[in-house]
Amino acid sequence: NAGVTQTPKFQVLKTGQSMTLQCAQDMNHEYMSWYRQDPGMGLRLIHYSVGAGITDQGEVPNGYNVSRSTTEDFPLRLLSAAPSQTSVYFCASSSRTGASYEQYFGPGTRLTVT
Amino acid sequence: GNSVTQMEGPVTLSEEAFLTINCTYTATGYPSLFWYVQYPGEGLQLLLKATKADDKGSNKGFEATYRKETTSFHLEKGSVQVSDSAVYFCALGSSGSARQLTFGSGTQLTVLP
Repeated sequence: NAGVTQTPKFQVLKTGQSMTLQCAQDMNHEYMSWYRQDPGMGLRLIHYSVGAGITDQGEVPNGYNVSRSTTEDFPLRLLSAAPSQTSVYFCASSSRTGASYEQYFGPGTRLTVT
Repeated sequence: GNSVTQMEGPVTLSEEAFLTINCTYTATGYPSLFWYVQYPGEGLQLLLKATKADDKGSNKGFEATYRKETTSFHLEKGSVQVSDSAVYFCALGSSGSARQLTFGSGTQLTVLP
């Protein structure tokens, strides 16, 4: 199993450009999430989805868009990149069943906006 | 709302030293608690978890006990190795259907030979 995969691994954008970060999982998990990681701030939730066709905002959604057309894929779109969006982005997935909320993380995308 | 307060870093230890990283939380209901580890250049991996009060999670020599009375989930290891150098995150699993995690700010651990 590949688990959670993310592409690209690295990306440099100019201010105002748009792009899509890809995330896919092959574990048939219902839940998927996007986080950003900034120094000294841990991980902050951007958007999440509880199933295909259902998305919702997290703690820091501004400037980002998501959709969930299939169970496997959960792309994150940057509409007009800003230097404040320079960060490492992680996608995660988890199953609806089970007593805990364990999440499985992808390897991350390191984004720099100049 | 939910929050996790984690011991400030960075922490530098010599090999075979005892490790404690403090973590306290604020939450409604009965959350699950986690420790994740992030090795350089990689994503987060689950290290251990506890789903109810007094549970002890353990893995790879690391342990943490879910203490409801002190709202804590401190990470401990009796003898650290160089290979334990990483960033450690305490996290809380929220109640409800969304199954979201709230993370602490992370603690950088460096173990010197």
